[in-house]
Amino acid sequence: DAGVIQSPRHEVTEMGQEVTLRCKPISGHDYLFWYRQTMMRGLELLIYFNNNVPIDDSGMPEDRFSAKMPNASFSTLKIQPSEPRDSAVYFCASSSTGGGSYNEQFFGPGTRLTVL
Amino acid sequence: SQKIEQNSEALNIQEGKTATLTCNYTNYSPAYLQWYRQDPGRGPVFLLLIRENEKEKRKERLKVTFDTTLKQSLFHITASQPADSATYLCALDMCPGANAGKSTFGDGTTLTVKP
Repeated sequence: DAGVIQSPRHEVTEMGQEVTLRCKPISGHDYLFWYRQTMMRGLELLIYFNNNVPIDDSGMPEDRFSAKMPNASFSTLKIQPSEPRDSAVYFCASSSTGGGSYNEQFFGPGTRLTVL
Repeated sequence: SQKIEQNSEALNIQEGKTATLTCNYTNYSPAYLQWYRQDPGRGPVFLLLIRENEKEKRKERLKVTFDTTLKQSLFHITASQPADSATYLCALDMCPGANAGKSTFGDGTTLTVKP
């Protein structure tokens, strides 16, 4: 398996622009997570899905952030409009409730977002 | 409020020694506790999971303990090597139900093993 795939790996944009981050989870996983990591705040959970349904979006900082999971193999995190304080590394992770490793999460390589 | 605290300072040890990392939590009743390793520029990688009814779990040179009374987990790396240098994150998982599947991560401890 290729693992969790994220694109783009790096994104540089100007304040006010729309940013879309993409994630392909591991096939067969029923949970998908979006995290943001910064030096100041560490690894923060933004939103997570179970079977394509959003379960908890309490970590989404504000209405400028939105996430979708139209099917089991694809999710997007959108920021519109972007601001410099959104600069961070965004990770997507997936996990499965089956098997012996309950809740072990598999992380993607991350998208490094810089908003100028 | 709920809080997870890991070693506040970076940890520097000599090769061959045992590294001990701490994860303390308050106002949680986790069903599971996990440890992850993160290298610069990469996503966290799962290492070990320990359940609330387990006291200790081992995997090769790694050992994790879980004391629900003290609300603490210790993560040990024996015979440490420079390749063990990384940031180590603990993550708490609540009981299944409303929070099923959701992990809350600590800020991590950066370990440097010197040759």
